[in-house]
Amino acid sequence: GAVVSQHPSRVICKSGTSVKIECRSLDFQATTMFWYRQFPKQSLMLMATSNEGSKATYEQGVEKDKFLINHASLTLSTLTVTSAHPEDSSFYICSARGAGGTDTQYFGPGTRLTVL
Amino acid sequence: GEDVEQSLFLSVREGDSSVINCTYTDSSSTYLYWYKQEPGAGLQLLTYIFSNMDMKQDQRLTVLLNKKDKHLSLRIADTQTGDSAIYFCAESISSASKIIFGSGTRLSIRP
Repeated sequence: GAVVSQHPSRVICKSGTSVKIECRSLDFQATTMFWYRQFPKQSLMLMATSNEGSKATYEQGVEKDKFLINHASLTLSTLTVTSAHPEDSSFYICSARGAGGTDTQYFGPGTRLTVL
Repeated sequence: GEDVEQSLFLSVREGDSSVINCTYTDSSSTYLYWYKQEPGAGLQLLTYIFSNMDMKQDQRLTVLLNKKDKHLSLRIADTQTGDSAIYFCAESISSASKIIFGSGTRLSIRP
């Protein structure tokens, strides 16, 4: 149980284009989903927290107009990187937390974004 | 403030035990976690411990928590080559409903 998928797993795009990444909880309802960014050989940096049906809460320094998050259902959250630039190239990982009491987050496999 | 620290590297011989250490600063943490990340993959939850527990054992994994010293460790018995990965320690900050991750410890196994 507690499987989280991400799509696509890898994407290469041109500078200036927008890219959408999907995060799905496959076998549980995720009341909260998180989006992280990971640079090579570094830890995860929390970008934003999204609760189903409400606006995402962004961490300090993360541009909400740049990284659009939509959590339209209890099993799907999307991250759209708008007008992507090479510095947005990174590994983006989502996680989902169900309505349990352990605060445990279950992670997706990640999406490697490369902006040319 | 919220901070989780780990050593960056650990090298052990195959068959030996690995001990990965972590310190955290927030005394209000409710849960502490160990995640494993293999190259190019997401994070896999290995185990977690509630803050009022001292120890948790799950097959080859043993988690020890010293709440007084805010120290968490993960022991992997009989380390195998498949255990090579980055291990992240994390604490939950319930007041903020988020998890804070350490920098990760890269475990390498030598024959």
